[in-house]
Amino acid sequence: GAVVSQHPSWVICKSGTSVKIECRSLDFQATTMFWYRQFPKQSLMLMATSNEGSKATYEQGVEKDKFLINHASLTLSTLTVTSAHPEDSSFYICSARDRLGGTDTQYFGPGTRLTVL
Amino acid sequence: QKEVEQNSGPLSVPEGAIASLNCTYSDRGSQSFFWYRQYSGKSPELIMFIYSNGDKEDGRFTAQLNKASQYVSLLIRDSQPSDSATYLCAVNSRAGGFKTIFGAGTRLFVKA
Repeated sequence: GAVVSQHPSWVICKSGTSVKIECRSLDFQATTMFWYRQFPKQSLMLMATSNEGSKATYEQGVEKDKFLINHASLTLSTLTVTSAHPEDSSFYICSARDRLGGTDTQYFGPGTRLTVL
Repeated sequence: QKEVEQNSGPLSVPEGAIASLNCTYSDRGSQSFFWYRQYSGKSPELIMFIYSNGDKEDGRFTAQLNKASQYVSLLIRDSQPSDSATYLCAVNSRAGGFKTIFGAGTRLFVKA
């Protein structure tokens, strides 16, 4: 299957700082990537849909000025958590949409565990 | 009614048994259906996808789709303790543009 990477895999930061997470599709081009957040023992929560070359679409209740998304190329999307606070501590997972070969499938990155002190 | 519904479980089966995971969806226009496995602390991993009514087999896994009943299931034969995870059902819908809807997941425990 298609491979999606995320970097960093974990990060610890101080309250008030900004953190950037990268999501890359390694062997396919992804015009659409998705960003999810997952708290312990809870379901995936879609935060936003990232489309290459255009503004991201945020889900209701997700602050676009706090979670900045950039999808500048067909293989890279970034999520920046600005002015992070302890309540932003979570597991952030990206996925990339693969539309080639007749499939239309989301492949997930390994996730980034963010801890804000 | 949730768009994609799964029994949250936990579903507990003995090692070697067949685990049956079920999922129903509300959008009749749904085109494709996926099963992901998520181990605790890890991200979801695609196991299988199915587009057509009927069964699709891949090793110990069989996906079953019944569009008339809006029902998709995953059977795991010869269940192993390593199959213990949360299984997410996902449905692609073209309504309102491309959208993938995930179920909340079913937790499976395979007892050794």
